Amino acid sequence: DTEVTQTPKHLVMGMTNKKSLKCEQHMGHRAMYWYKQKAKKPPELMFVYSYEKLSINESVPSRFSPECPNSSLLNLHLHALQPEDSALYLCASSQGMETEQYFGPGTRLTVT
Amino acid sequence: KQEVTQIPAALSVPEGENLVLNCSFTDSAIYNLQWFRQDPGKGLTSLLLIQSSQREQTSGRLNASLDKSSGRSTLYIAASQPGDSATYLCAVPPAAGNKLTFGGGTRVLVKP
Repeated sequence: DTEVTQTPKHLVMGMTNKKSLKCEQHMGHRAMYWYKQKAKKPPELMFVYSYEKLSINESVPSRFSPECPNSSLLNLHLHALQPEDSALYLCASSQGMETEQYFGPGTRLTVT
Repeated sequence: KQEVTQIPAALSVPEGENLVLNCSFTDSAIYNLQWFRQDPGKGLTSLLLIQSSQREQTSGRLNASLDKSSGRSTLYIAASQPGDSATYLCAVPPAAGNKLTFGGGTRVLVKP
């Protein structure tokens, strides 16, 4: 099973709301990622967790807060977002460093 | 800093024709190279991963080559079908670390 699942599929939120995106994998992968993708652009890395510890933060604004409760789950907590944060948010996982990454279907986020 | 380029940005071919997609990278110190497919509004599907020690990798109608010394990879799709219409992205991690650098993608349209 090479599936990464993400919920919700779509999310509309106001600038004062607090919401969370969820990602899950059951492949035993020890690295998990959050990417942001704008229309007609490639994904941009936001965060990397390796063995449940944050290893890379690509200077993402603090209104995005990642959390890795266990080796199978990755959350992205959202607060006080801006309209320009509207994008497709993708989660991925891999066995370890430098190995094949598997992506989830994404969450389409719209900030109004 | 690694830069990854995919040319052309868009490609339209009649059904049955072979597809040739190009990916070039500026820093040859890569650990591997991964090809992905993305359908509109969806997540990324991993197609092939070539290790830096490999010259070629095949999966069904797909064949990817890698020439590290010239900083190039090519994805060949034989006997294209309308279902092959999608955006194809290549990505490389640096020799150390798991941060993927993506190319801009090639949007492919296979006409029936």
